[in-house]
Amino acid sequence: NAGVTQTPKFQVLKTGQSMTLQCAQDMNHNSMYWYRQDPGMGLRLIYYSASEGTTDKGEVPNGYNVSRLNKREFSLRLESAAPSQTSVYFCASSGGRDAEAFFGQGTRLTVV
Amino acid sequence: DQQVKQNSPSLSVQEGRISILNCDYTNSMFDYFLWYKKYPAEGPTFLISISSIKDKNEDGRFTVFLNKSAKHLSLHIVPSQPGDSAVYFCAARGFMDSNYQLIWGAGTKLIIKP
Repeated sequence: NAGVTQTPKFQVLKTGQSMTLQCAQDMNHNSMYWYRQDPGMGLRLIYYSASEGTTDKGEVPNGYNVSRLNKREFSLRLESAAPSQTSVYFCASSGGRDAEAFFGQGTRLTVV
Repeated sequence: DQQVKQNSPSLSVQEGRISILNCDYTNSMFDYFLWYKKYPAEGPTFLISISSIKDKNEDGRFTVFLNKSAKHLSLHIVPSQPGDSAVYFCAARGFMDSNYQLIWGAGTKLIIKP
């Protein structure tokens, strides 16, 4: 049982480049999330999807787009990467209102 | 303005003793609180939770206490073991923008000394 799988694990981008972070879960969860974690700060929600076909902005959505491709997959796209987007990105999923979130291993992104 | 605060960036505890991690929040409408544990190069994993209608929840060596009047929760680990060395995040659930969302603290790095 893989749980939540994120790819890639590491990525270095030049300013202005684009990329897509992939996330898939095999737990049949309705809700999926993208967070970023920066030193000295908690996890900050970028975007979330409460169910297939819906997406909503979180606390820090600027510079990102998301796609809930199907129930399993939720991707995060950076159209024009900036150094301020250097961070560790986590994808998570949860099964419902009272269910805890399960996290992927994270993607360490560096924008130079 | 941080709604969930973990004021201690790090904590060092002797193996076998009690570890107490603290978390304060500002929004009285939060109704559910969770603790997660994170090892380096891994995603956070769920540890224990508590509903706002309770003041204590226990699971093995881990106990979470909630003081609603003080808007404070704490995680107690007894006895502390070397494998408990990790970053611990506190999170609070609130209903915002028509959906439930988790608001996270910055984390406390727990170091268990042998």
